[in-house]
Parts: sequence; C-alpha cells; structure tokens
Amino acid sequence: EAGVTQFPSHSVIEKGQTVTLRCDPISGHDNLYWYRRVMGKEIKFLLHFVKESKQDESGMPNNRFLAERTGGTYSTLKVQPAELEDSGVYFCASSQAGQGVPGYTFGSGTRLTVV
Amino acid sequence: QKEVEQNSGPLSVPEGAIASLNCTYSDRGSQSFFWYRQYSGKSPELIMSIYSNGDKEDGRFTAQLNKASQYVSLLIRDSQPSDSATYLCAVNRGTGFQKLVFGTGTRLLVSP
Repeated sequence: EAGVTQFPSHSVIEKGQTVTLRCDPISGHDNLYWYRRVMGKEIKFLLHFVKESKQDESGMPNNRFLAERTGGTYSTLKVQPAELEDSGVYFCASSQAGQGVPGYTFGSGTRLTVV
Repeated sequence: QKEVEQNSGPLSVPEGAIASLNCTYSDRGSQSFFWYRQYSGKSPELIMSIYSNGDKEDGRFTAQLNKASQYVSLLIRDSQPSDSATYLCAVNRGTGFQKLVFGTGTRLLVSP
C-alpha cells in the first residue's frame, strides 16, 4: 500500500508569492489532515477533511491559507500571499473512516521556506 | 502554558540502557495519548497509544499514563542506536475530536 504522498518535498519562495502544496492520501482514506511545524515549535493542527468536506478548520492561521479537497481524493493547501512566518514543515496525514486518531499515517512533509 | 510539555533534550543514554521520556498535558478532558517517533527529515511514526491509567507494553516500549497527575511517559528498554530520534507526545480529547495536540518533542541519543 502506497503511503501518504506530499509534494513538493521542498519549496523556497519569496515573500508575497503564492505556493500550493499537495497531499495524496492513502487510497480509500476518507479523513485527511493538515498539520504544520514552525521551526522550534510543536506540530500544530491546521484542518481536517472528511471526504471533500471541511470538518474542522480551527487551526488555519488566517485567510491567506486555503485548503481544498475536490472529489474527496487529493488535497491542496495554498498560501497566498506567503509571509516569512509561514516558513515551516507542512505535514499531511490520512486515516480510514471510523478509524480516527490512532489510524493516522503521516506524509513526509513539505518544507516551505519563505525568503 | 503549553498544552503538551516535553523536555526538548537531548536525552543521552548508552546502548542497552532504559530511556525514559516524559510528557505532561494541561487539558483534563484529554482521553487519548500517543507517542510518535520522528527521524530527521522523516514523517512522524506512531509507536504507542494509551487510553487508560497504568502501563501498556509493546516489545521494548512501555507507555505509562497517570491522568490524575496529567502525565504520560514512554520507557524504551534495551535502547539501541537506531532508537535515536525525536519522540513526540500527542494528546487527543477523544470521541468527536479528531485533532492531535503535540508537544515539541524530546530528542533521544543512544550511544554505542
């Protein structure tokens, strides 16, 4: 079984530019989560999709962040315009319906650097 | 106060010793507790979950939970150099709450 795939693995952009991160969950996983780790801080929850619906987006930092999961398969996280404080590692995770938290499988992350 | 607190380390132990990793949490409503291992540049990997007070053993790993003290620990017996990684403590409020709240992690170094 293929794992959670994220790309790009690294992205360096200038302040004010737009970046789109992509996550492909494990096939058949209805739950998809985005987390972020800013340097020196803990991994923090951003949002949770169940299929194509946003179940919980309480962790989204501001309206410069837009997450989508059209068709309930892969998800994108767009940052527009990017700011310096958006630098960090963005993790995606997925789990099967009903499996909840213990079934999380994380992707290897996208390291975003805003300069 | 952070929701989940961990000593950042590094915690250095010799090969074969017991490594003891500790975590405290502030939300008394937390019901599920997890330990993840993360190698540098890799994704977090779930190694233990615990839901009830007491000990839970899985191979060389033992998780301990004390809800009254709001304390979770992970013991690694017969530590190996391959155990060198960052160990993340995470908590969840349980049914209906899907998100995890993480600590900053403790870096473990096991020397040969």
